[in-house]
Amino acid sequence: EAGVTQSPRYAVLQEGQAVSFWCDPISGHDTLYWYQQPRDQGPQLLVYFRDEAVIDNSQLPSDRFSAVRPKGTNSTLKIQSAKQGDTATYLCASSPLGGQNTLYFGAGTRLSVL
Amino acid sequence: SQWGEENLQALSIQEGEDVTMNCSYKTYTTVVHWYRQDSGRGPALIILIRSNEREKRSGRLRATLDTSSQSSSLSITAAQCEDTAVYFCATEDTGGADRLTFGKGTQLIIQP
Repeated sequence: EAGVTQSPRYAVLQEGQAVSFWCDPISGHDTLYWYQQPRDQGPQLLVYFRDEAVIDNSQLPSDRFSAVRPKGTNSTLKIQSAKQGDTATYLCASSPLGGQNTLYFGAGTRLSVL
Repeated sequence: SQWGEENLQALSIQEGEDVTMNCSYKTYTTVVHWYRQDSGRGPALIILIRSNEREKRSGRLRATLDTSSQSSSLSITAAQCEDTAVYFCATEDTGGADRLTFGKGTQLIIQP
């Protein structure tokens, strides 16, 4: 079974630039999560979906971050105007219905904002 | 312990030694997950323990959970170089939401 796929693996931006991250979850997994992991810290939940619906986006900086999962499969996380404080690894994870909340993570996108 | 610390904790031991990592969490949970993250990869679940288990074993791993003190531990017996990784505990939201809150992690380095 293919794992969670994320792209790009790395991104380097100047402040104020925009960037999008893409995630392809494990086939059949209905729940998809985006986590932000600053260097030397644990993953912090930004937003998660069940199918195409947003379940919780309360930790997503809504003025600059947006996330969609239009068909309940792939997802895109976008930062509209990046700041140096956004420097982190962005992890996507998926989980099957009834899967005891076990998360299957992708390798992440490492973002550096200069 | 992982919660309450500002940054990643680090532990370095010799190959063959035993090691225990601790996790103290703030909000009540009945399930603690332990994830391992290798360099350049996403975290992967290694063991999950529920409140009715108190102790769970998987190979050289042993997890404990004490809900009264809101703490969990992960022990590795006879550590090997390939156990070098960052280890996170994560708790489930008891409000019914299917999401995990991760601790800050322990960087474990096994010296040959």
